[in-house]
Formats: sequence, structure tokens, C-alpha cells
Amino acid sequence: SQQGEEDPQALSIQEGENATMNCSYKTSINNLQWYRQNSGRGLVHLILIRSNEREKHSGRLRVTLDTSKKSSSLLITASRAADTASYFCATSNPGNMLTFGGGTRLMVKP
Amino acid sequence: DAGVIQSPRHEVTEMGQEVTLRCKPISGHNSLFWYRQTMMRGLELLIYFNNNVPIDDSGMPEDRFSAKMPNASFSTLKIQPSEPRDSAVYFCASSLGGQGDGYTFGSGTRLTVV
Repeated sequence: SQQGEEDPQALSIQEGENATMNCSYKTSINNLQWYRQNSGRGLVHLILIRSNEREKHSGRLRVTLDTSKKSSSLLITASRAADTASYFCATSNPGNMLTFGGGTRLMVKP
Repeated sequence: DAGVIQSPRHEVTEMGQEVTLRCKPISGHNSLFWYRQTMMRGLELLIYFNNNVPIDDSGMPEDRFSAKMPNASFSTLKIQPSEPRDSAVYFCASSLGGQGDGYTFGSGTRLTVV
């Protein structure tokens, strides 16, 4: 079963625009992580936010976490064509097992 | 470090045959995970090892699936006998096991059972 559910399922934007993806989850978490997957490749860890954190930045990435609403968002600023990929949120339970959502397919048009 | 190494990258086999997927985690990582990815079901955790010991195998679909981790540098996922519905991409991932660590994924094995 999937803990996290991403929204939207697909997103198409122009290069230079910002992309926002949302994730909702159901149970308590230790941390929430975002991953990227290029077509035909493995997942790459982007950023981790702990349950006691509300916002985190890494380069052009900004992640927020609202534990009261059990939701997170990933913002990619000034998108590039190379950002085209699927993005997954994953929630970590006390046993350090990650449960992934269904992903958001992002297409950035040049 | 070369990252998590999986082999083979692609496997095509006939229904009923045994399939063995292999994974070498990152040296020093003490947690290893096997995931399966399909369009219909997304990413599913199959089994999780910590310090070479299986901790949670509740995601293993049925008895046809088995996984081993004989030492810290090697794990296998075996399907016997294979069925067409097992066709998927199988990923291995490893992590340091702490609460503050992300996973490092391998490139996956694309399995096709005909």
C-alpha cells in the first residue's frame, strides 16, 4: 500500500517557471524524503526533512512539511529541461522503512 | 564508491524458469531493501534487511519469492517459478540505517517473463 500520494500526477511547464508538487500521507512519520527518477533509471535521493522541521532548502529545491495536515510540498524554482523526470515522496517510519507514493511526472518544455 | 550495483540490468525468461537478481550494496551501509516497480502498483517494498538479517518480508508477494543476504556485501532475490505477472523493474537500495539517511538505489533489473 502507498503511504504518500502525490498531486498532481502529471505536470507540464515551460523552462524558467516554478514547479510545485504536493504529497499527502496517512500515518506518523520520522522523516519525509523526496526522490527523482529519470526514465529507465533508479531513484536519486534529493532531500530529507525531519518531522520536527517545517522547511528545508537545497539549491533550487524547497521542501515544506506540515505534520498537522500530513502533507509536504516540493518546489523547484527556475525549472530547466533537465528537471524532466518523475518525483516521488517517501515517508520513513521508526524502522527506517520507506514507503513511496505514486509520483508526479514533471515535463519541462524548453 | 560505485554505488549500489545490480545485475543483470535486463532479464528475459520463460514462464516457469528460475530467476535470480543480484545486488551489491554500498560498503558500510547496514540496511538493504528490495523494491519492485510497476505502472499499476508503483514502488512496492518487498523485503528489508538490517545487518544481513531479514527484518520485514511482509511485502514478498508469495512463496515463489525468496531473498537472502549471506554477507554485508551481497544479496539475492530469487523467483521460482517465474510468472508473466512478475514482469517489473526490481530495485535494490541501501542506507546507513539511521533516521537521517536517504536510500541509495541501484539502476534496477528489468525483468520480463514471457
